[in-house]
Amino acid sequence: ETGVTQSPTHLIKTRGQQVTLRCSSQSGHNTVSWYQQALGQGPQFIFQYYREEENGRGNFPPRFSGLQFPNYSSELNVNALELDDSALYLCASSSQYSTLYNEQFFGPGTRLTVL
Amino acid sequence: AQSVTQLDSQVPVFEEAPVELRCNYSSSVSVYLFWYVQYPNQGLQLLLKYLSGSTLVKGINGFEAEFNKSQTSFHLRKPSVHISDTAEYFCAAPNQGGKLIFGQGTELSVKP
Repeated sequence: ETGVTQSPTHLIKTRGQQVTLRCSSQSGHNTVSWYQQALGQGPQFIFQYYREEENGRGNFPPRFSGLQFPNYSSELNVNALELDDSALYLCASSSQYSTLYNEQFFGPGTRLTVL
Repeated sequence: AQSVTQLDSQVPVFEEAPVELRCNYSSSVSVYLFWYVQYPNQGLQLLLKYLSGSTLVKGINGFEAEFNKSQTSFHLRKPSVHISDTAEYFCAAPNQGGKLIFGQGTELSVKP
């Protein structure tokens, strides 16, 4: 069973640029959630995708957008990068809608640095 | 407001000593509670979870946690820590929409 994978592992961008982060969910999982973890902080929920539709969004501006594909992999896109976007971006997959109690399996994350 | 609060940002402890990492949650979050561990440069790994039933929950690596509804707490404990337990620990709970809310994290540093 393949776990959650994310690419790239590290990324350096400059302010104003755009970035795309990718996530492959664990086999059999149809729900993907994205989290931003700033240095020294806990992860903050960005949004969740279930069967290719956005299913809930945290307190993030519209320049954070996402996609989920038919194979349940997902992308996180961030436009007009700001310095404060520097963080570890975590993807988590789970097997059901509205994961009140279904375990979310996390990938290793993508470390984004904005200069 | 929906919140999960970890009361200690850093906990230094000597090897083989007991440890308790504290977590309080607001009553507005769903009473499903989780502890995750994050080793350096890695993602999050589930240590244990409370869904219902016994208030004492046992997890991996010898950790356990006790759900206390009256004190809205879910403290994590281990009777004897190892160097390899050095990591960041996060308490989490889902909000009404089922999205995980995390505490700020506690850095456990185990010294020889």
